[in-house]
Amino acid sequence: NAGVTQTPKFRILKIGQSMTLQCTQDMNHNYMYWYRQDPGMGLKLIYYSVGAGITDKGEVPNGYNVSRSTTEDFPLRLELAAPSQTSVYFCASSPGDEQFFGPGTRLTVL
Amino acid sequence: QKEVEQNSGPLSVPEGAIASLNCTYSDRGSQSFFWYRQYSGKSPELIMFIYSNGDKEDGRFTAQLNKASQYVSLLIRDSQPSDSATYLCAVKGSGGYNKLIFGAGTRLAVHP
Repeated sequence: NAGVTQTPKFRILKIGQSMTLQCTQDMNHNYMYWYRQDPGMGLKLIYYSVGAGITDKGEVPNGYNVSRSTTEDFPLRLELAAPSQTSVYFCASSPGDEQFFGPGTRLTVL
Repeated sequence: QKEVEQNSGPLSVPEGAIASLNCTYSDRGSQSFFWYRQYSGKSPELIMFIYSNGDKEDGRFTAQLNKASQYVSLLIRDSQPSDSATYLCAVKGSGGYNKLIFGAGTRLAVHP
């Protein structure tokens, strides 16, 4: 089992550019999540999904979009990158209570 | 706003000592509580979870839960330099959908 994988590991974007952060899990978990973590801060929930075809907003959804067409994949889309979106992004999956995290994507918007 | 509060630290303890990490939460309906360890530049990894009042032990780690006081703690016995990391407290709220609310974390430094 690879667990939760994320690509890319690092990315630098210019203001106004768009990109998709990829997340894949091979544990057949129904629940998937996207978090951002700013320096010295905890994890803030951006979006989550309770199963294929079902997504909902978390605490900080503005500027992001998601889709969940399969159980395995949960991509996060940034449409118009802004400096405030500079952060580390973690994807997680869960069978129930415990959440398992991917290695993260470090994004810088300049 | 449902919140989870932790002292940011750093908490500095000598090698071999007991490290005590504390967390309070605001949602009285919370049912599940988790401790994650996060090394610098890495992703969080689950080390303990607790559902019932009282203590739960796993090796050198003990989680303690007091729902009446809305308080959860993590004790690390015989602390090692490899325990130096940020410890995140997470609470599953009463709102459903398996969402966790994370505290900002306590940085632990174990010195030889």
